Amino acid sequence: KQEVTQIPAALSVPEGENLVLNCSFTDSAIYNLQWFRQDPGKGLTSLLLIQSSQREQTSGRLNASLDKSSGRSTLYIAASQPGDSATYLCAVRGDSGGYQKVTFGIGTKLQVIP
Amino acid sequence: KAGVTQTPRYLIKTRGQQVTLSCSPISGHRSVSWYQQTPGQGLQFLFEYFSETQRNKGNFPGRFSGRQFSNSRSEMNVSTLELGDSALYLCASSLEGVTEAFFGQGTRLTVV
Repeated sequence: KQEVTQIPAALSVPEGENLVLNCSFTDSAIYNLQWFRQDPGKGLTSLLLIQSSQREQTSGRLNASLDKSSGRSTLYIAASQPGDSATYLCAVRGDSGGYQKVTFGIGTKLQVIP
Repeated sequence: KAGVTQTPRYLIKTRGQQVTLSCSPISGHRSVSWYQQTPGQGLQFLFEYFSETQRNKGNFPGRFSGRQFSNSRSEMNVSTLELGDSALYLCASSLEGVTEAFFGQGTRLTVV
């Protein structure tokens, strides 16, 4: 059974800092990994998708890496801004009991202090 | 380009009733998946439809069901509602299941 863990559960940083969010998963046989952000009471906003054959993806100030062999992904946020405050979730797609299944971590709640 | 649209945004139902939620995917997307989000369990995968067929499913009881129409719109039905079904229900659409998923704003279901 796939398990996804995100550390830390919460993070508070001053504006302008670079930061790293971690995501680990127990079954390395995945199809892809996707990072999202969620604002309170809202849906999820897609940030980056990394297919299993890729090592990293970049979008603006965001960079996500994937190391399937070690079951880890990191989301790097450069020059953090107060607008980055949200909960960040990672999700992996893999096989489970003859089906594909998407498993989410609990998330990292980020607060960027002006 | 319109995003994923979920209706209604809020619902209050009584225990034992049934409910139907609707999801309209991004134009051209053929895959729709459904998730339940609660404070205690986080986001949990319910099922995924592709071209009107349920292709993947999570570990939820048979009270949770869904369908997808020829225009890719999807509905999710929960029968015999329980208090524990209170949650934010999210749907996501993608071109194919393994491509980037885009989420709607969710339907907040409260069972009393």
